[in-house]
Amino acid sequence: GENVEQHPSTLSVQEGDSAVIKCTYSDSASNYFPWYKQELGKRPQLIIDIRSNVGEKKDQRIAVTLNKTAKHFSLHITETQPEDSAVYFCAASSNDYKLSFGAGTTVTVRA
Amino acid sequence: DAGVIQSPRHEVTEMGQEVTLRCKPISGHNSLFWYRQTMMRGLELLIYFNNNVPIDDSGMPEDRFSAKMPNASFSTLKIQPSEPRDSAVYFCASSIYGNTIYFGEGSWLTVV
Repeated sequence: GENVEQHPSTLSVQEGDSAVIKCTYSDSASNYFPWYKQELGKRPQLIIDIRSNVGEKKDQRIAVTLNKTAKHFSLHITETQPEDSAVYFCAASSNDYKLSFGAGTTVTVRA
Repeated sequence: DAGVIQSPRHEVTEMGQEVTLRCKPISGHNSLFWYRQTMMRGLELLIYFNNNVPIDDSGMPEDRFSAKMPNASFSTLKIQPSEPRDSAVYFCASSIYGNTIYFGEGSWLTVV
């Protein structure tokens, strides 16, 4: 089955700086890569996703890049704000749409 | 839309008791997923249904766990008998096949 690895496990950034989280996946058939944000005690919520026919996608301060050859994808958050503090999960799935999640990255934005 | 609705939100039960978690997916969604989240193992897919039919239950940890989806608007996850190691947050999620997966608020289970 699919194996998704996520790094780093924790990330502390100064407000206004950028944050980057990287994930690798094992199944070359994977073609859908969403990112979820989970605040303490809440449910995971989709913040952005990318499909394998696209190399990059941006939504305001958030962007995701995908390198299918290397089987890795990354989340970039620019101009971080305190409300960006949360746990972020990457995930991957192939045509069965069965998401396999990374272990999560705890992001702390220091004021 | 009210989103994915789960009940109970919190449950504390004694070891050996039966636990039933319930889920109402978003209306019109035809895929339903049950996930378990723990600090040690992260988010694990237990089982998923497509058009009410179980497609993959390879993540169900053992025979003590069972899941049903009798119709398009209701699913249950049952643990019998429960054990302390089953303590976790259980998320139900739904999607229109191939599209964004939306999570419910979760059921926080503690088995003592």
